[in-house]
Amino acid sequence: KAGVTQTPRYLIKTRGQQVTLSCSPISGHRSVSWYQQTPGQGLQFLFEYFSETQRNKGNFPGRFSGRQFSNSRSEMNVSTLELGDSALYLCASSYLADSYNEQFFGPGTRLTVL
Amino acid sequence: QKEVEQDPGPLSVPEGAIVSLNCTYSNSAFQYFMWYRQYSRKGPELLMYTYSSGNKEDGRFTAQVDKSSKYISLFIRDSQPSDSATYLCAMSAKDDKIIFGKGTRLHILP
Repeated sequence: KAGVTQTPRYLIKTRGQQVTLSCSPISGHRSVSWYQQTPGQGLQFLFEYFSETQRNKGNFPGRFSGRQFSNSRSEMNVSTLELGDSALYLCASSYLADSYNEQFFGPGTRLTVL
Repeated sequence: QKEVEQDPGPLSVPEGAIVSLNCTYSNSAFQYFMWYRQYSRKGPELLMYTYSSGNKEDGRFTAQVDKSSKYISLFIRDSQPSDSATYLCAMSAKDDKIIFGKGTRLHILP
């Protein structure tokens, strides 16, 4: 069974631009969660989508948004990029919502904002 | 006070030693406790999951949760160089978002 895939793996943007990251969950998984990982703040929860509905949201500004499609694939968008948005963005999938004991992570997208 | 505190290390131990990794937390509503392992340039992978208090063992790994002290631990027996990674504790309350510690970098010296 294929794992969680994220595209692109690496991305370089400049301040003020916007970016869209993509996540394809494991086949059959309906929940997708997004996380931001930085050396200073560690791994922080952004939001979770289940059956196209956002279930939980972390403490991030409205510039961070996401959506989930009917095939469970998910996208995350960051508008008006800031230098501090440079991070590894990880997504994780699970069959059920809030199933943190059985979520599988993708390899991440490394975003650099210049 | 942060919700979850974890010593960032690095922690260096000789091969074969017992490793002890710990986290403290402040939110008494947490009831789901997890340990993840993350190798460089990879996403985290779940190692251990514990619901509420108690111990759980899986091979060389043992997870302990002490809710009265708001303290969780991960023990690794017979440590191997392949155990060298960053270990993240994580926890959540029912129907709430997951909170991660910042991770402890572990080096097992051959």
